[in-house]
Amino acid sequence: DIQMTQSPSSLSASVGDRVTITCRASQSISNYLNWYQQQPGKAPKLLIYAASSLQSGVPSRFSGSGSGTDFTLTISSLQPEDFATYYCQQSYRTPWTFGQGTKVEIK
Amino acid sequence: EVQLVETGGGLIQPGGSLRLSCAASDFTVSNKYMSWVRQAPGKGLEWVSVIYSGGTTYYADSVKGRFTISRDNSKNTLYLQMNSLRAEDTAMYYCAIYCSGGSCYSGGYYYYYMDVWGKGTTVTVSS
Repeated sequence: DIQMTQSPSSLSASVGDRVTITCRASQSISNYLNWYQQQPGKAPKLLIYAASSLQSGVPSRFSGSGSGTDFTLTISSLQPEDFATYYCQQSYRTPWTFGQGTKVEIK
Repeated sequence: EVQLVETGGGLIQPGGSLRLSCAASDFTVSNKYMSWVRQAPGKGLEWVSVIYSGGTTYYADSVKGRFTISRDNSKNTLYLQMNSLRAEDTAMYYCAIYCSGGSCYSGGYYYYYMDVWGKGTTVTVSS
């Protein structure tokens, strides 16, 4: 199975900060990488697919990049509603595994 | 509006069986890829299974041989049959659809992403 490793596991940031989350795959997955946001008690929400394609309706402050084994999710200016947990997921080969998550907390 | 509603969760003893349902509206389950994803209390997301539009299925190693994903086209419903349940199967179970807005095909490749999720149903395995 392909292992997905996110870093950091958690971070503290302030409103307006630029935030970057990293996801590394245990083998090359080309750009078959999705990012999800999960608010407490809610279902996950798709943010980015194909490593860098912004899902319809998602604010443009979210962006994704990377290919091969290394990927990043960037929030250009953190907003109060962005405090949540973020997950990467590969869809290169089944099982389509998730990273362990990165919790973004208020500083 | 595309919607998914999970039911069937509950408290079950170790070794028992349970069947989860995911009722779909505003799309046809047989035309889409659909998955089950679970989340143990306080833990991260775990991909459980997928069923392709053509009927092919795949599972996480942790549930292979114990869980079965299926669908009933006449009821437009996705299922997850869970047998030989263990304490570590305790989780919120979500169903999700891939590429609800149309095709997963883009730029010559297929990109599979879950863009519509249900609210989940809770399964607790305990004696």
